[in-house]
Amino acid sequence: EAGVVQSPRYKIIEKKQPVAFWCNPISGHNTLYWYLQNLGQGPELLIRYENEEAVDDSQLPKDRFSAERLKGVDSTLKIQPAELGDSAVYLCASSPTGANVLTFGAGSRLTVL
Amino acid sequence: AQSVAQPEDQVNVAEGNPLTVKCTYSVSGNPYLFWYVQYPNRGLQFLLKYITGDNLVKGSYGFEAEFNKSQTSFHLKKPSALVSDSALYFCAVRANQAGTALIFGKGTTLSVSS
Repeated sequence: EAGVVQSPRYKIIEKKQPVAFWCNPISGHNTLYWYLQNLGQGPELLIRYENEEAVDDSQLPKDRFSAERLKGVDSTLKIQPAELGDSAVYLCASSPTGANVLTFGAGSRLTVL
Repeated sequence: AQSVAQPEDQVNVAEGNPLTVKCTYSVSGNPYLFWYVQYPNRGLQFLLKYITGDNLVKGSYGFEAEFNKSQTSFHLKKPSALVSDSALYFCAVRANQAGTALIFGKGTTLSVSS
């Protein structure tokens, strides 16, 4: 069984450009998470979905970040426009509804120049 | 508010020696506690969890952790370290309430020398 799949693994962009990250969760996992991991820090939750509904987006900077999970499966996280401080690893994770253990993808490393 | 503290940025041990990676937490009510490990260029992998029951929990790769409610700690331990255990370890906590988020510590780098 494939794990949580993320793409691209690496992305380098100029500041003010847009960028998008894609996540395919484990089949049957209704809960999907996007986490931000800055260098030397632990992951911080950006948004959590239950199926297609965003149930916790309180930490998502909505002026430049957006996310969607159409049809309750794949999800896309977008940044527009990107800033230098957005350089980080963006982690996607999934779990069955109500489960305590999350399965993480390998992450998408963003570098903003 | 929930929080997790990992007081050591790095832990160095020799192969074959016991290892401890420290974690303390703050949460309202009963905690759910977790340890994850991250190898370079890979996502976080689940090691073990404490939900309820025995204070000593055993997990993957010979790791174990002890829940201490009075000290609000959940230290990760292994009796005999391997070089392959070298990685970044994260402690995480969430409250025993539906819908609460998982909060991670900043991580501790474990370096095991041969």
